[in-house]
Amino acid sequence: EAGVVQSPRYKIIEKKQPVAFWCNPISGHNTLYWYLQNLGQGPELLIRYENEEAVDDSQLPKDRFSAERLKGVDSTLKIQPAELGDSAVYLCASSLQGLAGADTQYFGPGTRLTVL
Amino acid sequence: DAKTTQPPSMDCAEGRAANLPCNHSTISGNEYVYWYRQIHSQGPQYIIHGLKNNETNEMASLIITEDRKSSTLILPHATLRDTAVYYCIVRAPANTGNQFYFGTGTSLTVIP
Repeated sequence: EAGVVQSPRYKIIEKKQPVAFWCNPISGHNTLYWYLQNLGQGPELLIRYENEEAVDDSQLPKDRFSAERLKGVDSTLKIQPAELGDSAVYLCASSLQGLAGADTQYFGPGTRLTVL
Repeated sequence: DAKTTQPPSMDCAEGRAANLPCNHSTISGNEYVYWYRQIHSQGPQYIIHGLKNNETNEMASLIITEDRKSSTLILPHATLRDTAVYYCIVRAPANTGNQFYFGTGTSLTVIP
């Protein structure tokens, strides 16, 4: 079974430019997450989707960040315009969330963004 | 979600058991204990999780104290490839909407 796929793996852009990251979750997983990971820190949640609906986007800086998951499968995270402080690894994860109990999240390899 | 406390770093000799501790003294009755690890330049990898009972899988064992205020992840025979940052996370069941809080984890170095 294929894992979570992310692209690109690396991206270098100049500040004020737009950038987009793509994520394809594990087949059948209804919940998708985007995380931000700064150097030396653990991942921090940006947004969580249940199917097409963004159910938790409280940590997403909405002035410059946006995300979508139009058909409840693939997702795109966009930054426009990028700032120097956005340099980080952007991780996507997915899980099969049932009515109760544990839901294990599986992570992709991440996209390392460098803003110059 | 309850937060966790882990030592920032540990060393372990190759072939020996690695015992990684985690304190979660404010854990609630319905919160699971999860362990993930992150090898350099990769995404976090799921290891194991448990609620009350000890758990074992092909990667590791999870020992949870009876009062659930702490746990230990055991890698029975550490190899160089186990060098990574290990995160202990507590999280309420999926339908409560609570998120994973990773913290800064324990950086485990396996020494040849």
